[in-house]
Amino acid sequence: DAGVIQSPRHEVTEMGQEVTLRCKPISGHDYLFWYRQTMMRGLELLIYFNNNVPIDDSGMPEDRFSAKMPNASFSTLKIQPSEPRDSAVYFCASRGGLDFSGNTIYFGEGSWLTVV
Amino acid sequence: QKEVEQDPGPLSVPEGAIVSLNCTYSNSAFQYFMWYRQYSRKGPELLMYTYSSGNKEDGRFTAQVDKSSKYISLFIRDSQPSDSATYLCAMSGGSSASKIIFGSGTRLSIRP
Repeated sequence: DAGVIQSPRHEVTEMGQEVTLRCKPISGHDYLFWYRQTMMRGLELLIYFNNNVPIDDSGMPEDRFSAKMPNASFSTLKIQPSEPRDSAVYFCASRGGLDFSGNTIYFGEGSWLTVV
Repeated sequence: QKEVEQDPGPLSVPEGAIVSLNCTYSNSAFQYFMWYRQYSRKGPELLMYTYSSGNKEDGRFTAQVDKSSKYISLFIRDSQPSDSATYLCAMSGGSSASKIIFGSGTRLSIRP
């Protein structure tokens, strides 16, 4: 299995620009998570989907952030307009139904975002 | 107060030492407890998983959960330089069992 695939791996953008991060979950997984990681705040859950439906978006910092999952194999996280404080590593992760490993989630390699 | 608290370190120990990593939490509904390991510039990977209280051993790694104290630990025996990484505790349970909350991570360095 190819694992969770994220793109782009690195992005440098100017303040005010729109940023779109993309994720392809592991085939067959029905949960998809978006996390943000910074030195100051650690790994924060932004939003998660079950069967393409957003279940909990309470971690989305503000209206500038939006996430979609149009089908089981693709999700996007969009920031519009971007600000320097959005600079972070954004991780996508996926999980199948509760199995022997319980709540094991599998992470992608991350998208490293720098807003200047 | 955060739901999950973890000392960020950094923690530096000599090769062969026993390492103890810890997290505390506030949500008594948590039932699933996990430890993830994250190497530099990589995504976190599951290291160990336990359900409810008790101990679990896997090779040089032992995970302990004390639900009465809301405290979990990860012990690494005979630590190796390859164990140098950031270790994140994670947990979930209750009405939002699918919502996994992570600690901030402890950066560990094993000196040869």
